[in-house]
Amino acid sequence: NAGVTQTPKFRVLKTGQSMTLLCAQDMNHEYMYWYRQDPGMGLRLIHYSVGEGTTAKGEVPDGYNVSRLKKQNFLLGLESAAPSQTSVYFCASRGTSGRGYEQYFGPGTRLTVT
Amino acid sequence: GNSVTQMEGPVTLSEEAFLTINCTYTATGYPSLFWYVQYPGEGLQLLLKATKADDKGSNKGFEATYRKETTSFHLEKGSVQVSDSAVYFCALRMDSSYKLIFGSGTRLLVRP
Repeated sequence: NAGVTQTPKFRVLKTGQSMTLLCAQDMNHEYMYWYRQDPGMGLRLIHYSVGEGTTAKGEVPDGYNVSRLKKQNFLLGLESAAPSQTSVYFCASRGTSGRGYEQYFGPGTRLTVT
Repeated sequence: GNSVTQMEGPVTLSEEAFLTINCTYTATGYPSLFWYVQYPGEGLQLLLKATKADDKGSNKGFEATYRKETTSFHLEKGSVQVSDSAVYFCALRMDSSYKLIFGSGTRLLVRP
């Protein structure tokens, strides 16, 4: 039981390049989330999903797209990276009852855009 | 809107010192409250939680009490260890909400 995993762990992009971050969970959770973490700002929600095939915007969705084609995977895409997207990105998942209300986080992806 | 305010860090303590990290919240209603911990190079882990007023969450020697009258959820530990060095996040969630609202985090450094 690996929990929540994220790929890759580190990435450096040039302005205008694109990339996709992959999040996978093996806990059969319905809800999945993408956050970004910036110094002094805590975690801010980018997008989230309440089930396979669904996505919704969070607090800071601009410049990002997401897809949830399979229940266990949640992809975050940057179509044209900008230096303002330099951040640490965390994926999380949670279930819908009991201890499932706890959000489980992945180890993060550190992205630098130059 | 709903929000969480934490004391700014870093907080630097000697081993076995008493720890308090302040957290206050603003919410329309009665949220559930959480403390998450982030060790260096890792994701966030739930440390403790409280779901209603006067509840006390506790785990690994840490405690926090949900105080509705002061809208606070301060984190305490009687004797910190070097291994407690981490960033601590206070967060709230409204009932039936998908969303956690985080504070900005407080870095704790414990010296031997």
